Amino acid sequence: GAGVSQSPRYKVAKRGQDVALRCDPISGHVSLFWYQQALGQGPEFLTYFQNEAQLDKSGLPSDRFFAERPEGSVSTLKIQRTQQEDSAVYLCASSLGPGRVEQYFGPGTRLTVT
Amino acid sequence: AQSVTQPDIHITVSEGASLELRCNYSYGATPYLFWYVQSPGQGLQLLLKYFSGDTLVQGIKGFEAEFKRSQSSFNLRKPSVHWSDAAEYFCAVSSSGGSYIPTFGRGTSLIVHP
Repeated sequence: GAGVSQSPRYKVAKRGQDVALRCDPISGHVSLFWYQQALGQGPEFLTYFQNEAQLDKSGLPSDRFFAERPEGSVSTLKIQRTQQEDSAVYLCASSLGPGRVEQYFGPGTRLTVT
Repeated sequence: AQSVTQPDIHITVSEGASLELRCNYSYGATPYLFWYVQSPGQGLQLLLKYFSGDTLVQGIKGFEAEFKRSQSSFNLRKPSVHWSDAAEYFCAVSSSGGSYIPTFGRGTSLIVHP
């Protein structure tokens, strides 16, 4: 498809499990962003990639969160030892590159930690 | 640090009525401002953006917004609401340069009555 895709769309994890969330950006988009959206809140920035380089990870809430984009296209957000407070929708967005403002968002992955 | 306030959590309007969603921002320099819409189960879609120039900006789906520097506001308007406009609306601000990582407000939920 032409848009940003994310998988899985829904994930239920038991507290303490590790999860991996995948993002497929629009082909050719250089920049990739991850956001966390808690229930009833706006998205909050987690991390930003330009190609394979992670240029900003200031929004990652703890060292349990890790993101990678090894070949500059698909990205994975990994959460280790999930906690209940990690329950949220995780949004991925991509853009053409630095200086290109418009970000295209995927549908998100809803993570529920029980 | 930049921040966004959307004072209305819910807004209810009748179909065909006019709409104004409020947004106030805090940012030291000239901001880049955005409005996004999020339908249930969907990612965010950019409605419009303001960088500079004409303070009244037109967007998609018949929406417009006006930048008022003196009031630090960027309110979203639509003259006649359609039932399909029911969604969550997010205002966002970003710095004028760099990666354009936006800071989002908490959102306003628009309910449209027939």
